Amino acid sequence: KNEVEQSPQNLTAQEGEFITINCSYSVGISALHWLQQHPGGGIVSLFMLSSGKKKHGRLIATINIQEKHSSLHITASHPRDSAVYICAVRTGNQFYFGTGTSLTVIP
Amino acid sequence: DADVTQTPRNRITKTGKRIMLECSQTKGHDRMYWYRQDPGLGLRLIYYSFDVKDINKGEISDGYSVSRQAQAKFSLSLESAIPNQTALYFCATSASSGGAETQYFGPGTRLLVL
Repeated sequence: KNEVEQSPQNLTAQEGEFITINCSYSVGISALHWLQQHPGGGIVSLFMLSSGKKKHGRLIATINIQEKHSSLHITASHPRDSAVYICAVRTGNQFYFGTGTSLTVIP
Repeated sequence: DADVTQTPRNRITKTGKRIMLECSQTKGHDRMYWYRQDPGLGLRLIYYSFDVKDINKGEISDGYSVSRQAQAKFSLSLESAIPNQTALYFCATSASSGGAETQYFGPGTRLLVL
């Protein structure tokens, strides 16, 4: 049983396309995180959400608490956006992670 | 300089050996975590510590132990390594803020157990 499910698992896009990655979770949460893992392995936190919507540059993250769903959008995608995007939720003192969405943006 | 560092970055060891992975942070955070990442499984929590005197088991603590030597240091030990402990290990830190804190990850340690 996975507390966090992401879709799609893999995504290939042309440069400039609008990208959406989805995350669904099955537990009550205090916060949801979107992380970016670069090809070298390093992990960076992109967003932390407990409600609504956040925007940072070309990245937008939304969350619907009632539906237990979050989306990460990338506008005007660029090859440097190629990475694995991971959804994580916090419930109590535990963090649960999705298996990630591998994004490749082709020039 | 990186805020969260891990040593070693890569390690090859043999079955049955005891090894230690170390994590240090300069962010002044009170909370530290150890995760392992396996292909197709995502990150899983091994142990976490909310304070120097606080140690808690995570989802997959069997075969591992930890030590919080100081607020800035959190070590993970494999007492007797086995091949299925081959994985990418991440340390992370966060500051307590009522359940909505951001985690900061170290660069990871690639461990291969032969």
